[in-house]
This record gives sequence, C-alpha cells and structure tokens, in this order.
Amino acid sequence: AQSVSQHNHHVILSEAASLELGCNYSYGGTVNLFWYVQYPGQHLQLLLKYFSGDPLVKGIKGFEAEFIKSKFSFNLRKPSVQWSDTAEYFCAVNDRYGGATNKLIFGTGTLLAVQP
Amino acid sequence: DGGITQSPKYLFRKEGQNVTLSCEQNLNHDAMYWYRQDPGQGLRLIYYSQIVNDFQKGDIAEGYSVSREKKESFPLTVTSAQKNPTAFYLCASSISQGIQPQHFGDGTRLSIL
Repeated sequence: AQSVSQHNHHVILSEAASLELGCNYSYGGTVNLFWYVQYPGQHLQLLLKYFSGDPLVKGIKGFEAEFIKSKFSFNLRKPSVQWSDTAEYFCAVNDRYGGATNKLIFGTGTLLAVQP
Repeated sequence: DGGITQSPKYLFRKEGQNVTLSCEQNLNHDAMYWYRQDPGQGLRLIYYSQIVNDFQKGDIAEGYSVSREKKESFPLTVTSAQKNPTAFYLCASSISQGIQPQHFGDGTRLSIL
C-alpha cells in the first residue's frame, strides 16, 4: 500500500532562514506528488504539484520542490522564510495510472513556525 | 466567492447516536471527498464521489455512510458502528474525477461524549 512519510513534525525557524521539509513515499508505480499548505485560520490549499517533466517544480510564494525518483522523495524548499510562512504543510501522493487518480494519500503534516 | 461550506463547525453527540455532517459546494465541481484528520495521522480518505449518484469507499469507510443525490451536496453520516468517531472531518472537491482535491472546507470537529 502507498504511504507518505513526513519526518519533521514540528519545525521552528527564524525569518530569512532556509527551509527544507522532507517527504518520502513508498510506492512502486508512477506517482503524482503534491504539497498542500494550511495557514492559520484558512483552508487547506495546493502549494505545488509534480506530474511529469522537470523534477524541480516551482509553486506559489517562492516555494519549490524536487522530485528525486531514486530516493522516493519530494522535499519542499524555500531559500528564505517569512513569518507569514507559518503554517502546516502536507505532502501527498497519488497513483498516476490508478483507477482513481484523484485519490490522494497524505502525510502526517509538518507544523512550521517562523519567528520574527 | 465559490467554496465549500461545512457545518456545523463543532458537533457533540452521545455515544450510540448517528450524526450527519454537512458539506455543500457552489463550485460546480463533479468530485467530492471526505477526509478524517487525527493527530499524528494526517488526512485519511473516508469516501469519495466522482459524480452525482455515485460514490466509492476510501481507506477508512467502515462505520461511515454517504450520499450524493445532488451535485453540490455530499453529506457524511457517522454511524454508531464507527468505533472511534471523535476526530476532525474535512470535505473537499475537485472539478473532475481526474483532478486532485482543489478546494477544502473549514472542517467539522466531532466529539463523542
């Protein structure tokens, strides 16, 4: 069965620090990969996604993620975080050729707190 | 603005009672989803519906039931058979069945007394 691991449950950074949140998945087939974000008091929303092509994908607000197939990883990065990046971040994966490609498996989430 | 409305925000019920959580969307989306979120476990899929009058079980469907009689509505019933119903429930939608969830509601926190 597919699973997604986010090893960092809580991350605390100072403003301007660089961010990398880990995401590993276990699945032998071809996958699509996603990062979702939930800002305090707001809905969960899509940050970025990878379907195919360039393994380095750019998302909103300066975030990017790199798909490394050999490592089954899709880590989220941002060179310089801001206080407004304080949120919970979820990695998710689905089976690209499965019967229900919209059926996502989510990781447990990483709570990021950025100190001003 | 279009979006997903979940109600109520908080719900308390006695053990053994069925309870129905509401999810309405005005986005004209075909697909809708119900997720359960527990501390340290992320979001787990309960049921999903690709189109009106159709729905499929997700990963943790036992003890839950759904209906999809209208495109805009996808209510979730937590039955007395659900062994551990206290959780945070999120509804989501996507424009079509081939697209991942695009919009999420605010969630309903259910507590069983």
